[in-house]
Amino acid sequence: KQEVTQIPAALSVPEGENLVLNCSFTDSAIYNLQWFRQDPGKGLTSLLLIQSSQREQTSGRLNASLDKSSGRSTLYIAASQPGDSATYLCAVPMIKAAGNKLTFGGGTRVLVKP
Amino acid sequence: DADVTQTPRNRITKTGKRIMLECSQTKGHDRMYWYRQDPGLGLRLIYYSFDVKDINKGEISDGYSVSRQAQAKFSLSLESAIPNQTALYFCATSNNGLSAFFGQGTRLTVV
Repeated sequence: KQEVTQIPAALSVPEGENLVLNCSFTDSAIYNLQWFRQDPGKGLTSLLLIQSSQREQTSGRLNASLDKSSGRSTLYIAASQPGDSATYLCAVPMIKAAGNKLTFGGGTRVLVKP
Repeated sequence: DADVTQTPRNRITKTGKRIMLECSQTKGHDRMYWYRQDPGLGLRLIYYSFDVKDINKGEISDGYSVSRQAQAKFSLSLESAIPNQTALYFCATSNNGLSAFFGQGTRLTVV
């Protein structure tokens, strides 16, 4: 059974610092890995999807890396801003699971202080 | 307009009541999902559907039922709500199961 873990559960940084968010998974048989952002009480917004064949995916200040062999992905957010405060979740669809169901990590709650 | 719309956005209901949460999508995706989110537990899959005739249980389907009325509509029912079903509920769609698009969520409180 796939398990997805995100550490730390919460992170607080001053504005301008770079953010590093970690995601680990136990079964490397994944199609891709998706990073989401969730604002309090709101839905999930997809940030980046990195294919299993890719090592890296970039969108603006966001960069996601993927190392399947070690079961890790890292989301980097450069020059953080207070508007980056949110919970960030990673999720993987399982090749072996019917329906390629997404398995989510517990999320990292980020606070960027002005 | 949102691609995935959930109604209601917030609901308070009493123990034992039947309640239905609705989801509609304009993305044209065949696959639809219902998740619940609890603090510290992340998102867990309740039910998923590949089309109107294909409905499957997820990790935590007990106490829930679903109906896929059309490709664009997927509703979740709690036949007899209980307090531990208090959670944030999300509907999601996908065209291939490999990436997902989420609704804004329904905050359900069972008192």
